[in-house]
Amino acid sequence: SQQGEEDPQALSIQEGENATMNCSYKTSINNLQWYRQNSGRGLVHLILIRSNEREKHSGRLRVTLDTSKKSSSLLITASRAADTASYFCATSGSRLTFGEGTQLTVNP
Amino acid sequence: EAGVAQSPRYKIIEKRQSVAFWCNPISGHATLYWYQQILGQGPKLLIQFQNNGVVDDSQLPKDRFSAERLKGVDSTLKIQPAKLEDSAVYLCASSLEYPGLNTEAFFGQGTRLTVV
Repeated sequence: SQQGEEDPQALSIQEGENATMNCSYKTSINNLQWYRQNSGRGLVHLILIRSNEREKHSGRLRVTLDTSKKSSSLLITASRAADTASYFCATSGSRLTFGEGTQLTVNP
Repeated sequence: EAGVAQSPRYKIIEKRQSVAFWCNPISGHATLYWYQQILGQGPKLLIQFQNNGVVDDSQLPKDRFSAERLKGVDSTLKIQPAKLEDSAVYLCASSLEYPGLNTEAFFGQGTRLTVV
């Protein structure tokens, strides 16, 4: 069974707007990771946040983690058309387990 | 550095036939994963190796799927016999260490399997 659940399933925004995706999970974790997948391609790692961290930044990406609520969010600021892709959270303990993903469409 | 290599990229077979996929992970990576991704869904972990030992294969349909990791390096995933519902992209990934040690996974391009 999948560990994480992303919300929303699909998100459509205009270029320049911010995009926020949420992930909830069920069991304790060592870290939580976010990946991106362009259509028909493999997944690319974006950012990893450890269980003892609350917030992490990387370029236009901001990730938060709330272990008490078992949830995480990914914020992409000043979105671009090239950000159009599926975004997945993955929880890591003994296994690396993915959620169902959020399909983000950024319209030019 | 070279990435994770997978072959073939595409495969079309008839149901009840057998098929094999090959994966060459990044050199030195101890952990290797096989995922099944059905269109519109997230990757589902089939099997995870640590060096040449199996860490988790709880979601591998063992009546038809098998996997091995040769000498802790390359890996093959086999399906025999294939069913229509096996149509999916099969992704191989590797990471330097066990995922709980805060290492990222690197993915190959995947093999798209169509069973007709």
